[in-house]
Formats: sequence, structure tokens, C-alpha cells
Amino acid sequence: QQQVKQSPQSLIVQKGGIPIINCAYENTAFDYFPWYQQFPGKGPALLIAIRPDVSEKKEGRFTISFNKSAKQFSLHIMDSQPGDSATYFCAASWFGNEKLTFGTGTRLTIIP
Amino acid sequence: DAGITQSPRHKVTETGTPVTLRCHQTENHRYMYWYRQDPGHGLRLIHYSYGVKDTDKGEVSDGYSVSRSKTEDFLLTLESATSSQTSVYFCAISDREGYTFGSGTRLTVV
Repeated sequence: QQQVKQSPQSLIVQKGGIPIINCAYENTAFDYFPWYQQFPGKGPALLIAIRPDVSEKKEGRFTISFNKSAKQFSLHIMDSQPGDSATYFCAASWFGNEKLTFGTGTRLTIIP
Repeated sequence: DAGITQSPRHKVTETGTPVTLRCHQTENHRYMYWYRQDPGHGLRLIHYSYGVKDTDKGEVSDGYSVSRSKTEDFLLTLESATSSQTSVYFCAISDREGYTFGSGTRLTVV
């Protein structure tokens, strides 16, 4: 049972464009939504995270948008660069539950 | 990654043989996890630990066992490896900043 659904599976964007990766969740108890970035041969690394008390969070060129009523959240990358090419995972958990449930990942390629 | 080490980094083993993967942390974190990563499936939780000798199953625990006799070490054992267990295995710890993952172990079962 996929509790966090991520799309698209892969994405190709030109340099400077704004890739958008979407995730939808089912469990209304989820209250913590992180995004992880993974480069080839490396483990995933925390990129940015949001809690449902805000609708948007920005860190540098990365923005999470959160829609509680639709049970959806998304990652936007402003002014994308070839160095942003990586696999991105969304995830979710709830307070008191230390286990993260991950989406299936999006392979992002930024072409020069 | 700082503070968390996985060994070995790569392993090829034969079907039916036992395999043990090791995760070592230096930061005294209570929670440790084993995930496997497969194309189209993302990261799936195998087992996790919330303290010494305290472990529990994740969503894909069949065929795997774990042990945690010391805070710093979390071992994942495949009792009798199968080809379906060919995967990349990641260990992780959790803290206030979220999860920190190791660099992974690429396991091939032939």
C-alpha cells in the first residue's frame, strides 16, 4: 500500500526552468513532510521539510508548497542548474512515529 | 556521511548463503533504520530499532533479521539470500534534523 504517491517518475528541464515534483498522501495523521535529494552512489540527504501549519517554505532556490485540504505537497526548484540533477524523494511521518514513509522518487535531469 | 558508516560498500553473494550488513554510528542516536532502494519502489523500510535490543519490522521484513547489541551498531542479516534481495541497502539514523543516511551497500545475489 503506497501511502505517499510521487510524480512524475522522471523529469527533464532546461537550465533556468522550474521543475515541480508532486506528492500526495493518504494518512491524515501525517504532520511532517521532508524532501530528500540523492546523487548517484550516495545516500539521500535532507533538503527541506515542512509542517502543515504553513502553506509554503523556502530555503534558497527550493520551495515546498503544501495543501492540507488536498493532502498534497510539492517541491519547486527555482532557476534550476545542472548540479540539481539528482533523484528526489518526498516523505511523510507523524509526531511520535519516527518512521518515514517515502515516495517512489523522481529522477530529475537539468540540461544546459 | 558524517557519523554513520556502512560495510561492506559492495558485495556479491550466491543464492542461499547468509549475508550480514553492518551499520555503525558514532553519535549515540537511539533510532536506526534499514531501508532497501529499488527502481520504481523508492525507499522501503525493512527493520528499525528504537534502542539496544529493541527492534521492529518494517513493510518488507520477510527474509531479513536484525540485531542491535550496542547503541552504535545495527546489523542486517539475510539468512538465506535470494535474487529478489539484490538491491541497494541504506542504513539511517534519525535526529531533530531528520534522517541521516549512510552511503549504502550494493548487494548482488547471483
